[in-house]
Amino acid sequence: DQQVKQNSPSLSVQEGRISILNCDYTNSMFDYFLWYKKYPAEGPTFLISISSIKDKNEDGRFTVFLNKSAKHLSLHIVPSQPGDSAVYFCAATLDSNYQLIWGAGTKLIIKP
Amino acid sequence: DAGITQSPRYKITETGRQVTLMCHQTWSHSYMFWYRQDLGHGLRLIYYSAAADITDKGEVPDGYVVSRSKTENFPLTLESATRSQTSVYFCASRAPGDTQYFGPGTRLTVL
Repeated sequence: DQQVKQNSPSLSVQEGRISILNCDYTNSMFDYFLWYKKYPAEGPTFLISISSIKDKNEDGRFTVFLNKSAKHLSLHIVPSQPGDSAVYFCAATLDSNYQLIWGAGTKLIIKP
Repeated sequence: DAGITQSPRYKITETGRQVTLMCHQTWSHSYMFWYRQDLGHGLRLIYYSAAADITDKGEVPDGYVVSRSKTENFPLTLESATRSQTSVYFCASRAPGDTQYFGPGTRLTVL
């Protein structure tokens, strides 16, 4: 029973366009959500997060949107760059000190 | 080097052997974690530790043992390796209220 789902295993986007990565969750008690980015042969690195009391958080080219009624969050990357090609993981937690529950990841490919 | 390191980076072993994966962090973070990553599953928590001498089970602890005698080290032992434990293992650490920082991973193959 996956509590955090990333239904798109891969996504291909043209350089300069917007990349939208999606994540759905089932546990309405999750109160903190994070996105991590992972390159091959490296560990995941933190990208951006959002608290359940917000519906949007922005950091440079990266924006995360949270729709609690739909139990859905998305990561927008604008504009997409070749260095954004990586696997993106969505994760959720019940509180900031609790374990993270991870999605399966989406491989983003930015085409030149 | 500052940060979090894992050793070995690659390991091939045989079924039934004992294997220990090492994790070392230089930040003195109180929390440390062990995950495994398998295709289609994302990262699954094996064990975590809130401080030295305090460990607890995660989602998939069976077949694994951990210890934490020092804050900076968090070794993971497979007491009798099985083929189902073939995976990529990631160690992570964090300070309270902060995000998790990951090591580069250990790719383990059990034949």
